[in-house]
Amino acid sequence: SQQGEEDPQALSIQEGENATMNCSYKTSINNLQWYRQNSGRGLVHLILIRSNEREKHSGRLRVTLDTSKKSSSLLITASRAADTASYFCATDDSGAGSYQLTFGKGTKLSVIP
Amino acid sequence: EAGVAQSPRYKIIEKRQSVAFWCNPISGHATLYWYQQILGQGPKLLIQFQNNGVVDDSQLPKDRFSAERLKGVDSTLKIQPAKLEDSAVYLCASSSPVGGAGTIDTQYFGPGTRLTVL
Repeated sequence: SQQGEEDPQALSIQEGENATMNCSYKTSINNLQWYRQNSGRGLVHLILIRSNEREKHSGRLRVTLDTSKKSSSLLITASRAADTASYFCATDDSGAGSYQLTFGKGTKLSVIP
Repeated sequence: EAGVAQSPRYKIIEKRQSVAFWCNPISGHATLYWYQQILGQGPKLLIQFQNNGVVDDSQLPKDRFSAERLKGVDSTLKIQPAKLEDSAVYLCASSSPVGGAGTIDTQYFGPGTRLTVL
């Protein structure tokens, strides 16, 4: 079964706008990660936030984590056409040393030039 | 560094046939994962190896799927016989703990093999 549920399922924005995607999960986690998948390609790791962290930045990406609400958000600022992809949140809720990830269904982002 | 390599990239077979996928992880990565990604869904873990031992294969349909990782490097995933519902992208990922035991892994994914079962 899938742990994370992304919202919205699809998002279409103009280049230069910000894109926000949300992820909700059900059980306690060790960390939460966001991955990007371009059409027909493998997944690329974007950012990891640990359960004791509330916010993290990487370039144009900002991730927040609210463990009390079991939710996370990914913000992409100043979007570009190259950001068009599917974005997945993945939770590590496994026992120590297993490092297993459970993925959500993803948000499909389209950035229109 | 070279990424995770997978082959073939595409495969079309008829139901009840057999198929095998190959994965070469990033050099030095001890942990290897196989995922199944059905269209419109996120990847689902099938099996996890640590070196050449199986850590978790609880979601692997063992009546038709098998996987091995000889010598703790390359891995193969086999389906025999294939069913229509096996049509999916099969992703291989590898990881290596940063800083040793108890730290967090980032998984690095290959491009995947797209399987179509007719």
